[in-house]
Amino acid sequence: DTEVTQTPKHLVMGMTNKKSLKCEQHMGHRAMYWYKQKAKKPPELMFVYSYEKLSINESVPSRFSPECPNSSLLNLHLHALQPEDSALYLCASSQDLRVAGQETQYFGPGTRLLVL
Amino acid sequence: KQEVTQIPAALSVPEGENLVLNCSFTDSAIYNLQWFRQDPGKGLTSLLLIQSSQREQTSGRLNASLDKSSGRSTLYIAASQPGDSATYLCARLMYSGGGADGLTFGKGTHLIIQP
Repeated sequence: DTEVTQTPKHLVMGMTNKKSLKCEQHMGHRAMYWYKQKAKKPPELMFVYSYEKLSINESVPSRFSPECPNSSLLNLHLHALQPEDSALYLCASSQDLRVAGQETQYFGPGTRLLVL
Repeated sequence: KQEVTQIPAALSVPEGENLVLNCSFTDSAIYNLQWFRQDPGKGLTSLLLIQSSQREQTSGRLNASLDKSSGRSTLYIAASQPGDSATYLCARLMYSGGGADGLTFGKGTHLIIQP
């Protein structure tokens, strides 16, 4: 099973709302990722968690707050977003073997976010 | 940050043709190269991963090659089918490659296979 699930599939929120995106995997992977993909653009990395610790933050604004409660679950908390934050938010996971170059990242279907 | 370039940006061919998608990268110190497929509005499906010590990988009608010295990878699709229509993205690791590391993506090739 190479499935990464994401909920919700779609989300519409106002600029004053607080919402959360959820990502789950049951492959025993120890690395989890958030990417943002704007329309007709490639995905761009936001955050990386390795063994439940934040290891990479690509200078993401603080209105995006990641959380990794356990090795299977990754959340992205959203607060005071702007319309330009509207995008497809993709979660991914990988084994985190600590060996360079051997890992495949598996992606979920994404959450399509619209900020009004 | 490493650059990844994909050519062509778009490609439309009749069903049954063999085709080649190209990916180039700026730094030969690459750990792996991963090819993905993305259908409209969907997530990414991993197709093939080539480690730096490998020259090619095959999965069904797909064959991906890696030439570190020239900074290029190609994805070969044999006997194309309408179901192959999608955007194909190549990606390399962003930083050290030692475990959990983000991917830098090319802009993709939008492929249409005409029935």
